[in-house]
Amino acid sequence: GAVVSQHPSRVICKSGTSVKIECRSLDFQATTMFWYRQFPKKSLMLMATSNEGSKATYEQGVEKDKFLINHASLTLSTLTVTSAHPEDSSFYICSCGLATDTQYFGPGTRLTVL
Amino acid sequence: GENVEQHPSTLSVQEGDSAVIKCTYSDSASNYFPWYKQELGKGPQLIIDIRSNVGEKKDQRIAVTLNKTAKHFSLHITETQPEDSAVYFCAASRNAGTALIFGKGTTLSVSS
Repeated sequence: GAVVSQHPSRVICKSGTSVKIECRSLDFQATTMFWYRQFPKKSLMLMATSNEGSKATYEQGVEKDKFLINHASLTLSTLTVTSAHPEDSSFYICSCGLATDTQYFGPGTRLTVL
Repeated sequence: GENVEQHPSTLSVQEGDSAVIKCTYSDSASNYFPWYKQELGKGPQLIIDIRSNVGEKKDQRIAVTLNKTAKHFSLHITETQPEDSAVYFCAASRNAGTALIFGKGTTLSVSS
C-alpha cells in the first residue's frame, strides 16, 4: 500500500510554544490530506480536511487559528499547534487520500505539552 | 451528519477461533467502508475495504460484508492468531475526498 510519513514521531514542548508536524505521502500524490486527533483508548476525531493550494476546512469545534494547516504540495501538509497547552497533548495522525476514496494513514505524532 | 456505531467494544477469542465485529451507519449516501487495524502507538493500517456496489469481499483470513438496506457492515477474521490482537476501527464515507467517520473501535485480544 501507499506510504505516509509523519515527522516528528514524538515531541515534548513547553506550554505556550508552537509545534509543527509534517505529513508526507512518499510514493503517491494525495488529492486530499486529513488531520485527526486521537485521545488514549478513543477513536479518531477529524480535525480538518485540506486540499493542495486551498484553505483547510475545519470541523466544528476545532479552532483554525490554533491549529494551522498548510498544504503546500500534493505530497506535503503541515499542522502547527500554536501556543500549545497541556490539553493539546494528544496523538495527531494525518491521512492522505486518493481519488478512489482510499485513505492511508501516517504513523502518528505523540505531542506532550508540559 | 454521518454516525457510525461499532460493536463490541472489546472481544476476546482463543487462537484459531473466528472474530466478528459489526458496524452500523446512519447516512444512506455513504458508499465506501474501510476497516483499519491499529496497534499501540501506531497509525491505523488499512486491512480491507468495500464499496457499496459489492456485498462481500474477502482477502485471505479477512472478509467484510455489507448490507446497504440495513446499513450495516461487518468484519470477519477467521483462524485468529495472537498477532491479530489490536484495535480495529470501521469507517464510512460518502465519496472521494470526503473524510472518514470512524466507529469507536473494538479491542480484539487473541489468546494462545
